[in-house]
Amino acid sequence: GQQLNQSPQSMFIQEGEDVSMNCTSSSIFNTWLWYKQDPGEGPVLLIALYKAGELTSNGRLTAQFGITRKDSFLNISASIPSDVGIYFCAGQGSVSGATNKLIFGTGTLLAVQP
Amino acid sequence: NAGVTQTPKFQVLKTGQSMTLQCAQDMNHNSMYWYRQDPGMGLRLIYYSASEGTTDKGEVPNGYNVSRLNKREFSLRLESAAPSQTSVYFCASRAGRVFYNEQFFGPGTRLTVL
Repeated sequence: GQQLNQSPQSMFIQEGEDVSMNCTSSSIFNTWLWYKQDPGEGPVLLIALYKAGELTSNGRLTAQFGITRKDSFLNISASIPSDVGIYFCAGQGSVSGATNKLIFGTGTLLAVQP
Repeated sequence: NAGVTQTPKFQVLKTGQSMTLQCAQDMNHNSMYWYRQDPGMGLRLIYYSASEGTTDKGEVPNGYNVSRLNKREFSLRLESAAPSQTSVYFCASRAGRVFYNEQFFGPGTRLTVL
């Protein structure tokens, strides 16, 4: 099945550092979403992007919808210990239709050293 | 408002046993989804129901069946469990009326098949 290429697979950083991760696809999407999963929990939506080129912020998080509609980026500024978790990108509404379905990336594991 | 609830939280089965995972949402959402999450694989869609009375296969439907019992409930059945079905299973729901509605996830069911 189709999955999105997400990198890096894992990151181990010091508290206060900035973080960048990205997601690429061979298919075009109409919507890009970024989720965070805490240990033992389900994913929770962080940011949703609906338009190519769109740059959206949510507190210390900033995400961009790539102009080609085939990629997206998530940045976290001034990381704190509670940022620890797995971050997933997801694409929705490809040119093949199926606007109901999400395709997920493989995830980026973030560890923050206090 | 409980959101999306799943039962059970944990389950251990022997190969060949059957079981049903239950999911319910109280947000009056039209669409519901079942995913499995395996290490390094992200979330993969098993089945989904775009609206009450309809179900469709996702990426990895083999070995599973689903029932959309009513608008609130969407169950996932393993008729004859196999070790390859050891995974964490997440249910999600989405309002579905407009394309930008997000998916909300339940807390997951951790299934081990021996």
